[in-house]
Amino acid sequence: AQTVTQSQPEMSVQEAETVTLSCTYDTSESDYYLFWYKQPPSRQMILVIRQEAYKQQNATENRFSVNFQKAAKSFSLKISDSQLGDAAMYFCAYRRPLYTGTASKLTFGTGTRLQVTL
Amino acid sequence: NAGVTQTPKFQVLKTGQSMTLQCAQDMNHNSMYWYRQDPGMGLRLIYYSASEGTTDKGEVPNGYNVSRLNKREFSLRLESAAPSQTSVYFCASSDLDDYGYTFGSGTRLTVV
Repeated sequence: AQTVTQSQPEMSVQEAETVTLSCTYDTSESDYYLFWYKQPPSRQMILVIRQEAYKQQNATENRFSVNFQKAAKSFSLKISDSQLGDAAMYFCAYRRPLYTGTASKLTFGTGTRLQVTL
Repeated sequence: NAGVTQTPKFQVLKTGQSMTLQCAQDMNHNSMYWYRQDPGMGLRLIYYSASEGTTDKGEVPNGYNVSRLNKREFSLRLESAAPSQTSVYFCASSDLDDYGYTFGSGTRLTVV
């Protein structure tokens, strides 16, 4: 079974600075998808960024980027120019491809709570 | 707005009571899921439905039942609520692609 580990329960960053959230995962498969979700106090789960394992290029979405290290099974999220609105819980998640014949179940890490200070 | 609708948003139950959490999506997605979120444990899969007419157990199915009523609706039932089922419950759906889920806004359930 796949597992996802987020070893930082809480992180803090000053506004306009850069912060990196860590995620490692365990899998025996070569093809999969990785995600970062944001959960603000509103409780809504918001997809931040997505990475396909077969792509060597790291995904980027505006101020959000990932550092995907497939051999190390590491998938960190970098938030640049942090804003107060970035304060939230962030979850890393893993998913097998649909062609494996399984339902596309997401496996989540335990989350990192990010605080943004002035 | 298109998306996943969960009802109710909040609920307090007494131990032993039963209730059904409702979930509906209007995106014509094939797969639907129920997760629970507990502090320090992330989101854990309770049950899922890969397609209309099928349901399967996830990681923590004990104490729950589900019904995939049609392609749009996937309900979660607690037959005899226990304090250990106090949690935030999320419904989600996904389509036949490899993108992420669309989540509902969650139900905060307290069992006293």
